[in-house]
Amino acid sequence: QITLKESGPTLVKPTQTLTLTCTFSGFSLSTYTMGVGWIRQPPGKALEWLALIYWNGDKRYSPSLRSRLTITEDTSKNQVVLTMTNMDPVDTGTYYCVHRLTTVPNTGGYFDSWGQGTLVTVSS
Amino acid sequence: DIQMTQSPSTLSASVGDRVTITCRASQSISSWLAWYQQKAGKAPKLLISKASILESGVPSRFSGSGSGTEFTLTISSLQPDDFATYYCQQYNNYLYTFGQGTKLEIK
Repeated sequence: QITLKESGPTLVKPTQTLTLTCTFSGFSLSTYTMGVGWIRQPPGKALEWLALIYWNGDKRYSPSLRSRLTITEDTSKNQVVLTMTNMDPVDTGTYYCVHRLTTVPNTGGYFDSWGQGTLVTVSS
Repeated sequence: DIQMTQSPSTLSASVGDRVTITCRASQSISSWLAWYQQKAGKAPKLLISKASILESGVPSRFSGSGSGTEFTLTISSLQPDDFATYYCQQYNNYLYTFGQGTKLEIK
């Protein structure tokens, strides 16, 4: 059974850097085709994909946020970390960690398991 | 980027109704489309992958169809548990995008 859990600050100030940690179990990120990513959702709004790290170390980022995001992994701890710089009130929302699944290599894949989400508020 | 457009944004329906939600892609994505259901305060739940493959445990009243740029999610007979917000998501490449969501409300 795959589980994912997000952790990190609930409140950050504008211009600060947000660091979120996803701790997962039930799979190994080093296994072929695995991936772990981050998706966010502002209050009352739609889902927005942010970043994803793949089994082979490849990393992909949302083009609109690429300059502010970094995703890294600690395979020994079964953790994936997302950092987002220069936080702004518009970045307020629930941040989800997700497991990416694909049944066909070399396709993007979809998100079959989600963490419960963590609400991050950006305010001075 | 591939843009995903859902319609309608809000849908009012009654228990027992058959409803259809449409998702259009700004360019062809073959069948690389997933559907999710999200209830208030909860994480989204995967319903369908590859446009029409029902996830294990998802009731058979849910079905998906389409390819290329136009896709549909159909619920054949609405149940009280189905009132939620639904999102489509394309995975044609490694830059994932979601639709803006369709909120299914009780009429």
